[in-house]
Amino acid sequence: DSGVTQTPKHLITATGQRVTLRCSPRSGDLSVYWYQQSLDQGLQFLIQYYNGEERAKGNILERFSAQQFPDLHSELNLSSLELGDSALYFCASSMTSGRTGGIVLTFGAGSRLTVL
Amino acid sequence: AQKVTQAQTEISVVEKEDVTLDCVYETRDTTYYLFWYKQPPSGELVFLIRRNSFDEQNEISGRYSWNFQKSTSSFNFTITASQVVDSAVYFCALSEAADSWGKLQFGAGTQVVVTP
Repeated sequence: DSGVTQTPKHLITATGQRVTLRCSPRSGDLSVYWYQQSLDQGLQFLIQYYNGEERAKGNILERFSAQQFPDLHSELNLSSLELGDSALYFCASSMTSGRTGGIVLTFGAGSRLTVL
Repeated sequence: AQKVTQAQTEISVVEKEDVTLDCVYETRDTTYYLFWYKQPPSGELVFLIRRNSFDEQNEISGRYSWNFQKSTSSFNFTITASQVVDSAVYFCALSEAADSWGKLQFGAGTQVVVTP
């Protein structure tokens, strides 16, 4: 157990729907990162939050949004879902903000989203 | 453009054989970090090793060793005396001083299959 908790583990939904993925970081970690792993794109960085604020953004679609709450858990909202959004969504956490190098990310087990 | 290239899609070995995974990266930064992560069949991403761009000393940690060569932009990883439990997808990743050091750029991964 990495200490990073992601729910749900599996989710099946239909095109056009909206889903929310939840992540609780490891105790003491202030940063949360979202990554997407798909067959087409591989592992891609989506977005990072540090202590409630957006810190860095990657290839995140406009249909996707995220936030980090005061208790440091984070949610990734995916809307107007398309077949191509089917993927494994990872959350990772770290103690620092990302301003110092050499950060080792601790990943959760992932949430597998299937869009039918 | 792909910044991390793992040319080997799949490597199959028999137990106790050594396995070397190739990774070639591209960056203009003088300070950067390189990582290897493992994704076993259960799906989670597990950190294995980290190297910074200023330390080209190659090391051994248990059955793992790595060969970092800046001159060829390569960061190869070797598993000595492979075991069935080493069967997994192995990812090489690059971290640069962009907007966040936690923004990892992953290669496509190399599937390692170890048979008894």
